[in-house]
Amino acid sequence: DAGITQSPRYKITETGRQVTLMCHQTWSHSYMFWYRQDLGHGLRLIYYSAAADITDKGEVPDGYVVSRSKTENFPLTLESATRSQTSVYFCASSEPDLPLLFYNEQFFGPGTRLTVL
Amino acid sequence: AQKITQTQPGMFVQEKEAVTLDCTYDTSDQSYGLFWYKQPSSGEMIFLIYQGSYDEQNATEGRYSLNFQKARKSANLVISASQLGDSAMYFCAMREGKEASGSARQLTFGSGTQLTVLP
Repeated sequence: DAGITQSPRYKITETGRQVTLMCHQTWSHSYMFWYRQDLGHGLRLIYYSAAADITDKGEVPDGYVVSRSKTENFPLTLESATRSQTSVYFCASSEPDLPLLFYNEQFFGPGTRLTVL
Repeated sequence: AQKITQTQPGMFVQEKEAVTLDCTYDTSDQSYGLFWYKQPSSGEMIFLIYQGSYDEQNATEGRYSLNFQKARKSANLVISASQLGDSAMYFCAMREGKEASGSARQLTFGSGTQLTVLP
């Protein structure tokens, strides 16, 4: 199916464990993003990627690692999960913008609800 | 400082009435894009409407329109003829144009407005 998928949709883990959230898009979009959504904060950017092998930090990167070896995949790893990382995680993708003229919307995956006990 | 401010945590509107959801933004860039997303209770993020800073006309998409007042830095979403299915969280977001060429321009979100449409 075309679109952007995330797996797992729900995950419960324990403090200190490593967790990887998967994101896959079929549009060949250059840009991919990871956000977390917490009550009262809207969505906050964790990491983003402009292309394969190009990643950069967003607003809240601490405790997370990303990689992008293929254009279509952008996994997010919590190296040692903490309770403060309990959240809903959204992956998104978009086409490049026309510089300074037009900004493309981001397409979001369905989200992963992560609970860290 | 907050880049996107949505001052209405919750709003109620009667079915078939129009409703305006407020959004103000803060940027020093001349070029930027403003977006509205809808998040129903099922959780997905649905793109609604986009307004570019250089667009002279207010954006419209079906029952959605964006009241863009550049001097006041506001980008309010207007939903006409509300329907029960419009009950959801609505987020205003912005992408700024000043980031270096080749890097992704991040989307900065407001905290959202929970809209409830009453029958």
